[in-house]
Amino acid sequence: NAGVTQTPKFRVLKTGQSMTLLCAQDMNHEYMYWYRQDPGMGLRLIHYSVGEGTTAKGEVPDGYNVSRLKKQNFLLGLESAAPSQTSVYFCASQGAGVYGYTFGSGTRLTVV
Amino acid sequence: TQLLEQSPQFLSIQEGENLTVYCNSSSVFSSLQWYRQEPGEGPVLLVTVVTGGEVKKLKRLTFQFGDARKDSSLHITAAQPGDTGLYLCAGDNSGNTPLVFGKGTRLSVIA
Repeated sequence: NAGVTQTPKFRVLKTGQSMTLLCAQDMNHEYMYWYRQDPGMGLRLIHYSVGEGTTAKGEVPDGYNVSRLKKQNFLLGLESAAPSQTSVYFCASQGAGVYGYTFGSGTRLTVV
Repeated sequence: TQLLEQSPQFLSIQEGENLTVYCNSSSVFSSLQWYRQEPGEGPVLLVTVVTGGEVKKLKRLTFQFGDARKDSSLHITAAQPGDTGLYLCAGDNSGNTPLVFGKGTRLSVIA
């Protein structure tokens, strides 16, 4: 099925460990986004990309890095995980000239 | 920073009741979108409103964009348990920047 696929779905990390979250879309969308969702805080934008090879900071970028080497993939990296990064992470994509975002089903990350 | 305020934050109603949730801002948006998010899933787009005063209907859901394009409402008629979820509004500033999301209204419809 066409859409946005996030891997992994669940992960537990120890403080200081690193990991990469993968987002893949097969709709040839130009724009891709990484959000985190926390209770009472809503969706907060971490980083986004307006095209292959481009990235930009969102509202809460500290502690995260991203890369978009291929149009269909958007990677979110945590270099040294902290308990404050415990959250549900959502990736979304958007086609050029299209209003809506297509979201993945999320990655639930716990940092202990 | 543009903000979207949603109210109420939580709503628990009986099946068959009607309800309205609101999305307000002091800023003008070129368009506004509504999403529904179910537990364990990502948000799913319900509708986009573009023109001030526009009304769109999706079965029992009615969406309205304010005349000044600063606010929107979602009205559900005869709510059903399947309507349970988190309803998010999101504003589009110019199409060149990411959407601004409200914090959502969590709706629970009890059978």
